[in-house]
Amino acid sequence: GAVVSQHPSRVICKSGTSVKIECRSLDFQATTMFWYRQFPKQSLMLMATSNEGSKATYEQGVEKDKFLINHASLTLSTLTVTSAHPEDSSFYICSATPGWKNYGYTFGSGTRLTVV
Amino acid sequence: AQSVAQPEDQVNVAEGNPLTVKCTYSVSGNPYLFWYVQYPNRGLQFLLKYITGDNLVKGSYGFEAEFNKSQTSFHLKKPSALVSDSALYFCAVRDDNDMRFGAGTRLTVKP
Repeated sequence: GAVVSQHPSRVICKSGTSVKIECRSLDFQATTMFWYRQFPKQSLMLMATSNEGSKATYEQGVEKDKFLINHASLTLSTLTVTSAHPEDSSFYICSATPGWKNYGYTFGSGTRLTVV
Repeated sequence: AQSVAQPEDQVNVAEGNPLTVKCTYSVSGNPYLFWYVQYPNRGLQFLLKYITGDNLVKGSYGFEAEFNKSQTSFHLKKPSALVSDSALYFCAVRDDNDMRFGAGTRLTVKP
């Protein structure tokens, strides 16, 4: 159990376009989902926390207008990178939890975004 | 506030030797501790967790971790390393609101 599906796994887009990344919890309801960004050889950087039915909470320094997060249902959260630039190229990972403290997080397989 | 620290950025071991990846934590209350592994261009995979009970926790792929309350540590161990264990390892601590990750330790197992 506790599977999180993230797609696409890889995407290449042109500068100025927008890209949407989906994160789905397949066999549980995720009251909370998280979006991370990971630079090469670096740790995870939490970008934002999304709660179903409410606005996402962004970490300091993350542009909410650039990284749009929508958590419209208990099984789906989306991250849209708007007007992408080459510096947005990175590895994005989502995670989800049903909310129980002893459950931990389940991670998606990640999305490699390359902006050309 | 809770936090975890992984003091080593890099750990190198020879295949067949025991490995240890260190983690120390700081929490108020009872700790909920986790280890995850990340392979290149992949998400994080759950290895093991400590919630309560025995201090020695066994997990996936032959890994285990020892919870030491007096030293506030939760080191990841494996008796005999494999080349395929080479990856990035994250320690994490959970409370009611979120999970905090360590900076990660890159394990390299050489043949």
